[in-house]
Order: sequence, then C-alpha cells, then structure tokens
Amino acid sequence: GAVVSQHPSWVICKSGTSVKIECRSLDFQATTMFWYRQFPKQSLMLMATSNEGSKATYEQGVEKDKFLINHASLTLSTLTVTSAHPEDSSFYICSAGTSGGSSTDTQYFGPGTRLTVL
Amino acid sequence: SQQGEEDPQALSIQEGENATMNCSYKTSINNLQWYRQNSGRGLVHLILIRSNEREKHSGRLRVTLDTSKKSSSLLITASRAADTASYFCIAGNMLTFGGGTRLMVKP
Repeated sequence: GAVVSQHPSWVICKSGTSVKIECRSLDFQATTMFWYRQFPKQSLMLMATSNEGSKATYEQGVEKDKFLINHASLTLSTLTVTSAHPEDSSFYICSAGTSGGSSTDTQYFGPGTRLTVL
Repeated sequence: SQQGEEDPQALSIQEGENATMNCSYKTSINNLQWYRQNSGRGLVHLILIRSNEREKHSGRLRVTLDTSKKSSSLLITASRAADTASYFCIAGNMLTFGGGTRLMVKP
C-alpha cells in the first residue's frame, strides 16, 4: 500500500526559531498533499493544500507567512513553522493522495510530527 | 460541513465485549477508510472499503458500507485494552473530519 513518511517525528525548539517538517510519499507520486494540525484531544484541522509546482492554498485563519509550504517535487512537501512560539506547539500531520486530490481520491496519512516550542 | 462524522463520540466497554462505531458522510465516494489514533500518536490505517463492497473483514475488524444511506460501521470484536484509542473514518478525499470515536476498553 501507499506509504507517507514525515520527518522529524518530534522536535523541540526555542521560541523564535524556525522548524521545517518534511512529508514524503514513498512509493507513489502525489501532486497534492495536505497539512493538518491537531490539538490535544481534538480532531485534525486542515491548514493548507500543497500543490506541486504552485503556491499552496491556505485555509481561513492560517497565516501564510507563518506556515510556509513548499511542494518542490511529486514526492516531497515541506512545512516550515517560522519564528515559532509556544502556541505553535502541536501535532502536525500530512496526507497525500494518489489522484491529485480529487473528491474520490484515497488519502494516506503520515505518522505526524510533534512540535514543542519552549 | 464535515465529510465523515463518527458516532458515538465516546464509548466505554469491558474487555471481551464488541465495540461498534458508525460514520456518516455527505457526498459520493469511491472508498472509505477507517483509522485508529492512539493518544498523541499518528493515524494508523485499519481498513479500506470500496464503494462496490458492502462488508469487509480484517482480523477482529468488520466494516460495512451502505452507500444508499451514506454510512459505514466499524465493529471490533472481542475487544482488548490495547484497542483503546480514537477511531476516525475518512470518506473519499475528506479534507475535514469529525472528532472521531474515543473508545476505552477496560481490562
């Protein structure tokens, strides 16, 4: 089956620093990847849709300059949390589909990255 | 609106009992997936059922899909304490989904 990996699995950083999280589709190409964040005991919240070769589409309320997304290849999307603050501490999960994000696509989720900002 | 909402929100049972969770969705889909998430961990893929399938089994898991009612159910038989987790359904390419069903299995 399709596998999506994330790196790192967890990261601790100081306030004010930037953190990059990678999402890779290991055995399939994904023209579209999705980034979510999850607060404790809550559901996943879609942050943005990452499109290969073009700008990401951000959901309402998500700061584009704060959460930089780059989808440089068909197997890699990165999320950079810039100037991280303690309130950015969260669980970040990416997903990728095999059919370009169509309404009937199958989404495969990465294992998530736990970010803790001190 | 959310594509895929689980019911109940929380379920507490004794070890050995069966647990049934339901999921409803709104639009047409080609497939539906069930995932498990342990506290503070990522999503683990459990089972995928396609729109032309009505029932599927995997070990102690049994999933049904009723496309006419736009609903699915996940049955965990002979539950174990290790089954304690949150369970999510993802219908098609659901970009937002409900809070899942939090299952607690008491030893």
